[in-house]
Amino acid sequence: DSGVTQTPKHLITATGQRVTLRCSPRSGDLSVYWYQQSLDQGLQFLIHYYNGEERAKGNILERFSAQQFPDLHSELNLSSLELGDSALYFCASSVGTPMSGRASVYEQYFGPGTRLTVT
Amino acid sequence: KNEVEQSPQNLTAQEGEFITINCSYSVGISALHWLQQHPGGGIVSLFMLSSGKKKHGRLIATINIQEKHSSLHITASHPRDSAVYICAVLYNTDKLIFGTGTRLQVFP
Repeated sequence: DSGVTQTPKHLITATGQRVTLRCSPRSGDLSVYWYQQSLDQGLQFLIHYYNGEERAKGNILERFSAQQFPDLHSELNLSSLELGDSALYFCASSVGTPMSGRASVYEQYFGPGTRLTVT
Repeated sequence: KNEVEQSPQNLTAQEGEFITINCSYSVGISALHWLQQHPGGGIVSLFMLSSGKKKHGRLIATINIQEKHSSLHITASHPRDSAVYICAVLYNTDKLIFGTGTRLQVFP
């Protein structure tokens, strides 16, 4: 058990709908990262939040957005869903950002993932 | 060309064999993760290393920063080691770049 929790485990929804995925980081971790794993693209970085602020964006579609709340949990919002959005969505957490200087803060711990199926 | 290359893509072994999975990357990095993903989908971080060598049980990870190469070794492999092993590198930004994974099957 990594200490990172994600809800829900599974989500089935229709095209055009909007869903929210939730992630709670390990106690004490300030960074939350979101990743998408689809069959054809593998694992891809979506977005990183540190202590409530967006720090880096990857291949995140404009239909997707995220935020990190004062209690450090994070939500990933996916809207106008398409069949191609079906994937596993992982979040991970770490102590801090790489700019902290200590290598140990780089280590990311992954949640169990949310499997999204768009029909 | 992918920024992170793993080899082999698929690997089968008999129980007890010594296994090596390789990872090469093309730019300077802050650190490198080895991850394990079981058929159920969950991802477990096995190692994070930025230099040298780390060992945990039957698993050993090494990295050569100058050669931009890392290896994951499994000694005395067991069927429960069957999984996908993923190398991921952390650049000077805040994101992991993932290799395509190595699918390992260990037969009794």
